[in-house]
Amino acid sequence: KQEVTQIPAALSVPEGENLVLNCSFTDSAIYNLQWFRQDPGKGLTSLLLIQSSQREQTSGRLNASLDKSSGRSTLYIAASQPGDSATYLCAVDDMRFGAGTRLTVKP
Amino acid sequence: GAVVSQHPSRVICKSGTSVKIECRSLDFQATTMFWYRQFPKQSLMLMATSNEGSKATYEQGVEKDKFLINHASLTLSTLTVTSAHPEDSSFYICSAGRPVDGYTFGSGTRLTVV
Repeated sequence: KQEVTQIPAALSVPEGENLVLNCSFTDSAIYNLQWFRQDPGKGLTSLLLIQSSQREQTSGRLNASLDKSSGRSTLYIAASQPGDSATYLCAVDDMRFGAGTRLTVKP
Repeated sequence: GAVVSQHPSRVICKSGTSVKIECRSLDFQATTMFWYRQFPKQSLMLMATSNEGSKATYEQGVEKDKFLINHASLTLSTLTVTSAHPEDSSFYICSAGRPVDGYTFGSGTRLTVV
């Protein structure tokens, strides 16, 4: 059974810092991996989708990498802003989620 | 982009009644839909996976007779919470899509059973 782990569980940074969120999974035979953000009490917004044949995807200040062989993905957020404060979740293709990283960016 | 409509967004019902939640993919066909529940400050818990035209696959510990899932078409899946009780109060979210495209989430339904 696929298990997804996210580290750290919570992260607080000052505005402007670059940061990295980590996601690991136990079964490397995945089809794709997605990163989402969830604002309190809201649904999820897809940030980036990485297919298994890809190594990274970029969207604006976000960059996600995928290393299937080691079972890891990272989400890099450049020049963080208070509006980035949310819970970030990763999910592999059977849509099993990690527990998320709760990010707080302080002005 | 892909849009998933989920409604109602909020529902309050009396204990013992049933509640139906709809999840629709508006501009694409979803071969697979997932249903999750989320308790406050906790992560999403996958309840079941449904593929169009076949019975849903429930996760261990999820009562299939209590949480009825119907995926009658490529654009619609429904979750019915039968004989709801206060402990069923939660945030329910659906997602829809295909492995090649990834998945899009609905905006969620906050169910309160009184």
